[in-house]
Amino acid sequence: DTGVSQDPRHKITKRGQNVTFRCDPISEHNRLYWYRQTLGQGPEFLTYFQNEAQLEKSRLLSDRFSAERPKGSFSTLEIQRTEQGDSAMYLCASAGGFYEQYFGPGTRLTVT
Amino acid sequence: GENVEQHPSTLSVQEGDSAVIKCTYSDSASNYFPWYKQELGKRPQLIIDIRSNVGEKKDQRIAVTLNKTAKHFSLHITETQPEDSAVYFCAARTWNNDMRFGAGTRLTVKP
Repeated sequence: DTGVSQDPRHKITKRGQNVTFRCDPISEHNRLYWYRQTLGQGPEFLTYFQNEAQLEKSRLLSDRFSAERPKGSFSTLEIQRTEQGDSAMYLCASAGGFYEQYFGPGTRLTVT
Repeated sequence: GENVEQHPSTLSVQEGDSAVIKCTYSDSASNYFPWYKQELGKRPQLIIDIRSNVGEKKDQRIAVTLNKTAKHFSLHITETQPEDSAVYFCAARTWNNDMRFGAGTRLTVKP
């Protein structure tokens, strides 16, 4: 499968725990995006990387959230001290150019 | 920042009829407008997009129109089929590259 992949697909955690998600973009795509989607809503932009540089961060991204793309390939999104309001689908998308973004299957996070 | 509004939130049509979904955006600097289809439990899938230097684009039964002056764009699906049933999202990309999505339209095509 040469599409965007994400791991894990589902994560259940207790409030206060830290979680980390991984995204592997389409090979050679230099742009990578993280979004959050809650039920009945469209994806909300969180952050954007061009190669290894994090170029934009949404104001939605509190200081409990951090994202990295150390070698310009895969990316990780970490949430520290999870809260119930963090429960959502976390989507990753990659783009080879300036326009089309292709989404991964997402990681569904449930905070109990 | 950019604000994208999408209407209607739900749309039900008979198989073979046309469906139209409309979106408005607020930032006149937005220059790229994709449409995504999301089936239940699946990832959003890019179905068509339009750039700000074009007024209309068509791909088989799907077309998108853009009115930059009025800051609105629309998705048109002709000859709808039951497999077109899904949630459709419009989006607008702002000057700083983040993408703002509408709240989605749940389309149901009745056989």
